[in-house]
Amino acid sequence: AQTVTQSQPEMSVQEAETVTLSCTYDTSESDYYLFWYKQPPSRQMILVIRQEAYKQQNATENRFSVNFQKAAKSFSLKISDSQLGDAAMYFCAYRTKAAGNKLTFGGGTRVLVKP
Amino acid sequence: GAVVSQHPSRVICKSGTSVKIECRSLDFQATTMFWYRQFPKQSLMLMATSNEGSKATYEQGVEKDKFLINHASLTLSTLTVTSAHPEDSSFYICSAPGTGGRYTEAFFGQGTRLTVV
Repeated sequence: AQTVTQSQPEMSVQEAETVTLSCTYDTSESDYYLFWYKQPPSRQMILVIRQEAYKQQNATENRFSVNFQKAAKSFSLKISDSQLGDAAMYFCAYRTKAAGNKLTFGGGTRVLVKP
Repeated sequence: GAVVSQHPSRVICKSGTSVKIECRSLDFQATTMFWYRQFPKQSLMLMATSNEGSKATYEQGVEKDKFLINHASLTLSTLTVTSAHPEDSSFYICSAPGTGGRYTEAFFGQGTRLTVV
């Protein structure tokens, strides 16, 4: 079975500081995509960052970056210079063509940002 | 970017009645729509996959007779919760894969909060 594990139910970070969210996954596929989604209180899902499994280079989107370790099946998200608006639930997810492009989500990590 | 419009955003219904949730792709054609359910403080669980013009595929443990899915056109997929009960109260989200190729992202509806009283 394909699974995604987020071991941190909640993380707290001081405004302007850095926080790292962990994610591990399990798949036998070689062609897949990894994502981090943000779900604010409005509950609208927002794409934060994505990574193609065949790319070695870690993806970066402004203050968000990932540490993709394919052999370890690890895909952590780093939020730099945290802002109050970053407070939300963060879900790690992956998708494979073999599974019909459906997303499999981790359990989520709630990020609290302290002013 | 592409938009998936989901309605209603929240609905309260009485036990035993049916509720229909609609998801429309506004500026692209969605041949596939994924329907998720999210309990409070939990993750999104895939319920079913609808494909335009064919029967939906349900995940294990999801009652297809309770959660009727119809995908009659390339821009509209609907989920009908039939004979709703309080345990069906939840947050339902639809999502369509984009059509931009292998690297395409998914587009989510705004979600529907269903409360059955």
